[in-house]
Amino acid sequence: DAGVIQSPRHEVTEMGQEVTLRCKPISGHDYLFWYRQTMMRGLELLIYFNNNVPIDDSGMPEDRFSAKMPNASFSTLKIQPSEPRDSAVYFCASSRDSSGTDTQYFGPGTRLTVL
Amino acid sequence: ILNVEQSPQSLHVQEGDSTNFTCSFPSSNFYALHWYRWETAKSPEALFVMTLNGDEKKKGRISATLNTKEGYSYLYIKGSQPEDSATYLCAPGGSARQLTFGSGTQLTVLP
Repeated sequence: DAGVIQSPRHEVTEMGQEVTLRCKPISGHDYLFWYRQTMMRGLELLIYFNNNVPIDDSGMPEDRFSAKMPNASFSTLKIQPSEPRDSAVYFCASSRDSSGTDTQYFGPGTRLTVL
Repeated sequence: ILNVEQSPQSLHVQEGDSTNFTCSFPSSNFYALHWYRWETAKSPEALFVMTLNGDEKKKGRISATLNTKEGYSYLYIKGSQPEDSATYLCAPGGSARQLTFGSGTQLTVLP
């Protein structure tokens, strides 16, 4: 398996623009997680899905952020409009289940810079 | 969201030294404790998952122990090598089954 795939790897955009980050989880994994990594807050969970359904989005910073999972092999995280404080590395991870004991496999991340 | 503390924040050791660091977490509603290794410019990689009080896991020169009653886990590295340089994250999972990541211990092994 190719592992979790994220695109783009790097994104530079201007404040106010819409940004869409993409993730393909490992085939057969029922859970998908979106994380954001910043110097100030470390690695924080934004939202996670189970069988394509959002379960907990309490980590999403504000209404400018939205996430979807239209099918088992694809998810998007959208920021509209983007702001400089959104600059961070965004990771997608997937796991077979979320019993708490199953490993989460991380993608390579998308480094977002908002100017 | 759990309150997770890792110490020390950063650590420099000489090649060949053994070292250890700590992860503290609330003992209530504990379900599992994950350790991840995170190299610069890469993504976190899973090391261990532990669930039972007294659990010990080992992978090569790296091992970990778990005390769920007092809410801590230790990660040990025996005979550190430069390739062990990374940030080591712990992530307890509570009753919500979500992982809360600590801020990590950044290890630098000097040749």
